[in-house]
Amino acid sequence: LAKTTQPISMDSYEGQEVNITCSHNNIATNDYITWYQQFPSQGPRFIIQGYKTKVTNEVASLFIPADRKSSTLSLPRVSLSDTAVYYCLVGDISDSGYSTLTFGKGTMLLVSP
Amino acid sequence: GAVVSQHPSWVICKSGTSVKIECRSLDFQATTMFWYRQFPKQSLMLMATSNEGSKATYEQGVEKDKFLINHASLTLSTLTVTSAHPEDSSFYICSARNTGTSGSSYNEQFFGPGTRLTVL
Repeated sequence: LAKTTQPISMDSYEGQEVNITCSHNNIATNDYITWYQQFPSQGPRFIIQGYKTKVTNEVASLFIPADRKSSTLSLPRVSLSDTAVYYCLVGDISDSGYSTLTFGKGTMLLVSP
Repeated sequence: GAVVSQHPSWVICKSGTSVKIECRSLDFQATTMFWYRQFPKQSLMLMATSNEGSKATYEQGVEKDKFLINHASLTLSTLTVTSAHPEDSSFYICSARNTGTSGSSYNEQFFGPGTRLTVL
């Protein structure tokens, strides 16, 4: 049973806001939600992580509803360099219950001029 | 953020030879490191969890005798692909879990840049 479900691909234009939604219906109480970005032939790069409500950093925002069964990564004003695969992962990051990260298929975001 | 390096970044070898890939956490301690494999246009697949000072834990379907993992120090894990064959050609990525000190990145996983293995 897949832990997360994301759209396979999304298209956008430069300057637009992009929202990628991830479903994680079976998220456990101790699970956090983490998003990674991956460019071709590179390792994944951490974007943002959250547990509930909203988290914002210098590159993105993460919206998590109260039931935590989904999350939305928001990228403001994307540029061509944001073209990449985006992965949503859920897992326990506590000392006692730390779980391995299982990557789903990810979302291929293509930003056009 | 914390840095994880991999060496080599790419390697080409003949079928039947063994290849060693190193994964280092440069500025933090990592008692746990992870090895992933990624085929073209596919997602990362976890191969094994490398634990410092103990045996690695392999995912189902991954041959432990073919993919030897050694985690001899808090900053270094190695993956050796023994008797490599063309079907082992892939992108190998490691990640390290920051277990050194508490802080904003404590328990966060940092990924290396990957190693491209091509077996002829």
